[in-house]
Amino acid sequence: DGGITQSPKYLFRKEGQNVTLSCEQNLNHDAMYWYRQDPGQGLRLIYYSQIVNDFQKGDIAEGYSVSREKKESFPLTVTSAQKNPTAFYLCASSTDRGYNSPLHFGNGTRLTVT
Amino acid sequence: GQNIDQPTEMTATEGAIVQINCTYQTSGFNGLFWYQQHAGEAPTFLSYNVLDGLEEKGRFSSFLSRSKGYSYLLLKELQMKDSASYLCAVRPEENTDKLIFGTGTRLQVFP
Repeated sequence: DGGITQSPKYLFRKEGQNVTLSCEQNLNHDAMYWYRQDPGQGLRLIYYSQIVNDFQKGDIAEGYSVSREKKESFPLTVTSAQKNPTAFYLCASSTDRGYNSPLHFGNGTRLTVT
Repeated sequence: GQNIDQPTEMTATEGAIVQINCTYQTSGFNGLFWYQQHAGEAPTFLSYNVLDGLEEKGRFSSFLSRSKGYSYLLLKELQMKDSASYLCAVRPEENTDKLIFGTGTRLQVFP
């Protein structure tokens, strides 16, 4: 079955450490996205990539970095510069070719930094 | 700026009908999406509107008025499993699929 896989589901880190969240898709989608979800707030876009080896900052990119070396993979690194890293992180993908192509989401990674 | 407003919480009874409203003010408009999200899980796509009017899909329908910046999601014959958050999202730009999301409406269905 095609889909998006995020791992791990839960992640714990100490403050000051960088951590990388994995996102893999086998939907053959061109575009991939990282969103952050906090209680009482809507999903906020961190980074997105419409094609391999290219990516753009979203609304809250500070303290995060990404890479897109392969079409299937879009890992997100939460650096020690991110002030409030504890959150639920969602990866998504889309065909990015039509107005009605919805985002397909992974099951998320809940990151806790103490 | 970009702004999407939804009620924070709603409650309803099993078998009833509920309407979840969404208003938006965005820099551009290229479609509105509704997603369902159960707690701790991924959002799943429910509906898409880009033209004015009603789109029906089984028990769920979605309506759009572009002139009013307004949409609603209508859920009929509510079931307990419909207890979830419902996210309204707008695609503001023409050349990407990136979305701006509202805060979501948490719906609780009671027996």
